[in-house]
Amino acid sequence: AQTVTQSQPEMSVQEAETVTLSCTYDTSESDYYLFWYKQPPSRQMILVIRQEAYKQQNATENRFSVNFQKAAKSFSLKISDSQLGDAAMYFCASEYGNKLVFGAGTILRVKS
Amino acid sequence: EAGVAQSPRYKIIEKRQSVAFWCNPISGHATLYWYQQILGQGPKLLIQFQNNGVVDDSQLPKDRFSAERLKGVDSTLKIQPAKLEDSAVYLCASSSTGLDEQYFGPGTRLTVT
Repeated sequence: AQTVTQSQPEMSVQEAETVTLSCTYDTSESDYYLFWYKQPPSRQMILVIRQEAYKQQNATENRFSVNFQKAAKSFSLKISDSQLGDAAMYFCASEYGNKLVFGAGTILRVKS
Repeated sequence: EAGVAQSPRYKIIEKRQSVAFWCNPISGHATLYWYQQILGQGPKLLIQFQNNGVVDDSQLPKDRFSAERLKGVDSTLKIQPAKLEDSAVYLCASSSTGLDEQYFGPGTRLTVT
């Protein structure tokens, strides 16, 4: 069974600074996807970034980038130039066979 | 493009009562998912439909939970009878083929007292 672990229940970052959220996963699959989702207080899950396991290049989306270490089964999210609107719960998720398995989440607080 | 719609947004019931949630996926999306998100945890998949057929319901407590997707479009999730531990947010998601991005609805927050 796939498992996803987020070891940081809560993180804080100063506005305009950079923060990294950690995620590790366990899978026996060779082909899979990894995701970071953002869930603001409105509860709407929003896809932040996606990484395909067979691609060695780390995915980037504007201020969001990942550090994907396949051998270590690590998938961290870096948010650069943090903004107040980035404050939310962030979930790491892995997918195989069309099913998503989520971590427990990390609350990100952004200080002005 | 309209997103995934869910109703109601909030529901409070007493234990042993029944409740139903409704989901309307993005138009044309063949795959529909129901997730349960208990406070402080990540979402857990309850059931996955491909058109109107069930693909995976291995984590659905079938003694009290049921779900259907008539005509391969809208879906309803029912709990009967509810228990205190069913208090959670119930999220619906859809994807075009099941091999691509899942789009989530705003969820229904259920409180069982």
